[in-house]
This record gives sequence, structure tokens and C-alpha cells, in this order.
Amino acid sequence: EDQVTQSPEALRLQEGESSSLNCSYTVSGLRGLFWYRQDPGKGPEFLFTLYSAGEEKEKERLKATLTKKESFLHITAPKPEDSATYLCAVTNFGNEKLTFGTGTRLTIIP
Amino acid sequence: GAVVSQHPSRVICKSGTSVKIECRSLDFQATTMFWYRQFPKKSLMLMATSNEGSKATYEQGVEKDKFLINHASLTLSTLTVTSAHPEDSSFYICSARTGTSLGTQYFGPGTRLLVL
Repeated sequence: EDQVTQSPEALRLQEGESSSLNCSYTVSGLRGLFWYRQDPGKGPEFLFTLYSAGEEKEKERLKATLTKKESFLHITAPKPEDSATYLCAVTNFGNEKLTFGTGTRLTIIP
Repeated sequence: GAVVSQHPSRVICKSGTSVKIECRSLDFQATTMFWYRQFPKKSLMLMATSNEGSKATYEQGVEKDKFLINHASLTLSTLTVTSAHPEDSSFYICSARTGTSLGTQYFGPGTRLLVL
């Protein structure tokens, strides 16, 4: 059974203080690893898909990286509007379902 | 691109009534749509997977007679909560996947259901 573990559960940063969120996964044949952002009362917003170890993708202040066991979401010089819950999910080659982690709740303090 | 809408955004209904939630992919064709339920401060729980023109596949523990799913076109799926009870109150979110086998799931904004 696929498993996704995200850490930390919650993270408070000062505006401009860079950090990383971790997503560890166990999957029988990784098809894709996905990062989403979810604001309170909203559906998840797609950020990145990573398919193979060594792959990196960037969008504004966010950068996602992937190894064979984990993914990191690096946030550089965050702003208060980056505050949200960040969700990591994986799919395997056996099915098309997303297996989600429990998320990291990020708060950026002005 | 890849916008998914849901309607209504929130609904309040009386116990025993049925509620229909619509999920539309606005700018792409979705061969597969998914329905999730999310409890407060919890991650998303997959309820069912629906492919256009086929019967939905429900996850273990989800009552298919209570949560009716129809995927009549490549841009529309509906979830009907039949004979709703207070315990069905929740945040329901749909997602749509593009046609390729590696397609990303794009999520709708969610529907807040409150059953009185």
C-alpha cells in the first residue's frame, strides 16, 4: 500500500525566512508525485508534478525536488500570501488514484 | 488553463432530502473525474472514480446507493447525496484528470454541505 508522510505538520516562518517542507513516500512503482496548495475552504490548487528522481521544478518562490524516497518543497523568501496547507500526493503505475499526505500547514508572519 | 468548477459552493438542506452537486471541467475534456470528501483539518478521502459513460468505481466503505455519481459527458460529473443525514455534512471536492495516463488531477473549489 502506498504511503505518504509529510513533515512538519505545521510551520511558522517570518516573512522572508526560507525553509523546506518534506514529503516522504513509499510506493510500488512511482508514476508521479504531486504538490498542491490548499487554502481554507477551497479545493487544492495544483503546483507541480515530478516524475523521476533528480527532477526539479520551480514556480515563483517555490521549488520542488524529487529523490527516490522523498520530495522537498523549498520556499524562498516567503510572503504572507504563501500561507496555506501544502499537500503532497503520489500515484503508482497500478492505478490512477492519488494517495495524499496529511499536509503541512504553513503560516508566514509579516 | 485546466479550470474545474463546482456548483453549488455551499448548500443547506433538511434531513431526508437529496442534494446534487455538479462538477465541470471548463477548458479541457476530462475522461476521468474523482469525488473526494474532506473532514475539518484532515486530508482528502477519495469516495469514487468515474469515467465518462461508465459506472463509477466506489472506494471501500462508500455507499454507492447513497452517493450517486453520473459522468454523462467529458466535461460534467454529478454527485447526488440521497436521503441526506447530518452525518453527511462535509466538504465535497471533485477533480478532473486530462486524457493522458500521466495526467494531473485538477480540483474544483469544493462544495460545503450542511444537513440539518
